[in-house]
Amino acid sequence: GQNIDQPTEMTATEGAIVQINCTYQTSGFNGLFWYQQHAGEAPTFLSYNVLDGLEEKGRFSSFLSRSKGYSYLLLKELQMKDSASYLCAVRDGDYKLSFGAGTTVTVRA
Amino acid sequence: ETGVTQTPRHLVMGMTNKKSLKCEQHLGHNAMYWYKQSAKKPLELMFVYNFKEQTENNSVPSRFSPECPNSSHLFLHLHTLQPEDSALYLCVSSQEVSGGPDTQYFGPGTRLTVL
Repeated sequence: GQNIDQPTEMTATEGAIVQINCTYQTSGFNGLFWYQQHAGEAPTFLSYNVLDGLEEKGRFSSFLSRSKGYSYLLLKELQMKDSASYLCAVRDGDYKLSFGAGTTVTVRA
Repeated sequence: ETGVTQTPRHLVMGMTNKKSLKCEQHLGHNAMYWYKQSAKKPLELMFVYNFKEQTENNSVPSRFSPECPNSSHLFLHLHTLQPEDSALYLCVSSQEVSGGPDTQYFGPGTRLTVL
């Protein structure tokens, strides 16, 4: 399988910024996804990167560096509802999608 | 509102029982998947169906048996499961596009407990 690493847990204060890093090692690369999963619910799509650089979507941004095998998800102006698990997923050269174990973000008032 | 539905949402079964999980997608997609999600572990891909043909079976034990009668429906038949099979089982659909991103749409999952 592929090797995808992300921190297990992160805690931040409401209104702050949090950056979730993801590093990967795959045989080939065909895109990186970020998903959000609230407790007891299914993952929902947040972002997709296939070229180097930053993709911005409102309060959420995702960055990719293919040469470094690195991505991050940036959450700005944190809200309590952002407390969730964030999954990094990478599609390899055979278009197989592998997921990291997820980063649980806790937002405190 | 998700375009992928799963039933049942919760299931408790004994090791000798036989049960089936059902998934239906209303998005017109051509690929459907079963994933297993255990606590603190990455999502594990179990089976892939592309245009109703099984294209992948990730060394899943034979006590799990998938069925895809058409491009909108996917089943996972369960028999003689073990307690370690207790997990969240997620059905996913996507539109496979050659060379392009196919965002995966997740169903709500079935929380399975094997006693």
